[in-house]
Amino acid sequence: DVKVTQSSRYLVKRTGEKVFLECVQDMDHENMFWYRQDPGLGLRLIYFSYDVKMKEKGDIPEGYSVSREKKERFSLILESASTNQTSMYLCASSSGGPSGEQFFGPGTRLTVL
Amino acid sequence: QQQVKQSPQSLIVQKGGISIINCAYENTAFDYFPWYQQFPGKGPALLIAIRPDVSEKKEGRFTISFNKSAKQFSLHIMDSQPGDSATYFCAASMGTGFQKLVFGTGTRLLVSP
Repeated sequence: DVKVTQSSRYLVKRTGEKVFLECVQDMDHENMFWYRQDPGLGLRLIYFSYDVKMKEKGDIPEGYSVSREKKERFSLILESASTNQTSMYLCASSSGGPSGEQFFGPGTRLTVL
Repeated sequence: QQQVKQSPQSLIVQKGGISIINCAYENTAFDYFPWYQQFPGKGPALLIAIRPDVSEKKEGRFTISFNKSAKQFSLHIMDSQPGDSATYFCAASMGTGFQKLVFGTGTRLLVSP
């Protein structure tokens, strides 16, 4: 089974803190994604990566950065957390084949106070 | 042009009834239309997908109907069961190889016993 794991299920941080969200996949997938999920807004793509050390901005990259030093690991960084970044963060991976199926982790519920 | 519009936002169906969720898109370059299912506390998972060369795809009780001329596609859940209660996301992408999905805003389905 494909497995995508995220470092924390719940996280509470203070405004201005630097926050790291970690994601690991065990299926040797080339592509990895970070989304945020908010009620009524669906899943919005923050950043994605199609290879090690490669990254591309998604639809809402402002306030975020990413790091992909190893194929299996994709990190999302909030340089200075703000209250409007309180959200559910979902990581996904895919093999990039024609089906394009993305496999999601369980999510990290981040609250910024 | 990159948006996928999904309706309704929420849906209540009696057990045994038919659940219908609709999506519409503008970008005619989209050529892959998956539906993802998300249970509480879990990440989304691929449910069923269709390409525009067919008008319908059925997998068990789940059917995608696709209307290329109207740029619309819908998910039908026949004989809906309480275990189908979840949030459903339609999505669309284009091209082969790397797949970047554009998601709809989600439909929360509740199937009452």
